[in-house]
Amino acid sequence: ETAVFQTPNYHVTQVGNEVSFNCKQTLGHDTMYWYKQDSKKLLKIMFSYNNKQLIVNETVPRRFSPQSSDKAHLNLRIKSVEPEDSAVYLCASSSAGGALYFGAGTRLSVL
Amino acid sequence: QQQVRQSPQSLTVWEGETAILNCSYEDSTFDYFPWYHQFPGESPALLIAIRPVSNKKEDGRFTIFFNKREKKFSLHIADSQPGDSATYFCAASNSGGSNAKLTFGKGTKLSVKS
Repeated sequence: ETAVFQTPNYHVTQVGNEVSFNCKQTLGHDTMYWYKQDSKKLLKIMFSYNNKQLIVNETVPRRFSPQSSDKAHLNLRIKSVEPEDSAVYLCASSSAGGALYFGAGTRLSVL
Repeated sequence: QQQVRQSPQSLTVWEGETAILNCSYEDSTFDYFPWYHQFPGESPALLIAIRPVSNKKEDGRFTIFFNKREKKFSLHIADSQPGDSATYFCAASNSGGSNAKLTFGKGTKLSVKS
């Protein structure tokens, strides 16, 4: 099965903790992304990786850091979570200039 | 600066009517315009997309109309069905090169009543 796979589906944590989300795509795409979708459904790009190189780094807080071991994997680490980080984090991939394919998302709740 | 503007924020139509969702953009280098839909509890999924070589793209009941001069594009959903109820996002990007990224509108929540 070819798709974008994210783990975990849900994560509940407390302010100040560190969390990591994993993403893997089996579509053979060269570019992977992290998007944040807030409670109002707004979709905002956070990072984009093309073949292991960061090509877009939107103005997100420094506590967020993407990590990529190869073009099929893109993880997201949040060093010290804040309440405003509660959201759904969507991983996606695409071929050059092509459509985005999203994973199912990781819903983060920060208490 | 919001590069992709979407309206209306919410739209209710009756079953069988045509729903019209609108978007406009500012960056004249944008050359790829997809529409995504997102059902409750799911992630966005590509519905239909257009490139400026054409001013119309059809896929079944879904049609994109594109106006390059006015920098506007719209999604028409003909014969709307209750199963079409979802949030629809337009987006735009400059697809050339490795710096391509998609900028999304704020979404239109469509409700189709039977």
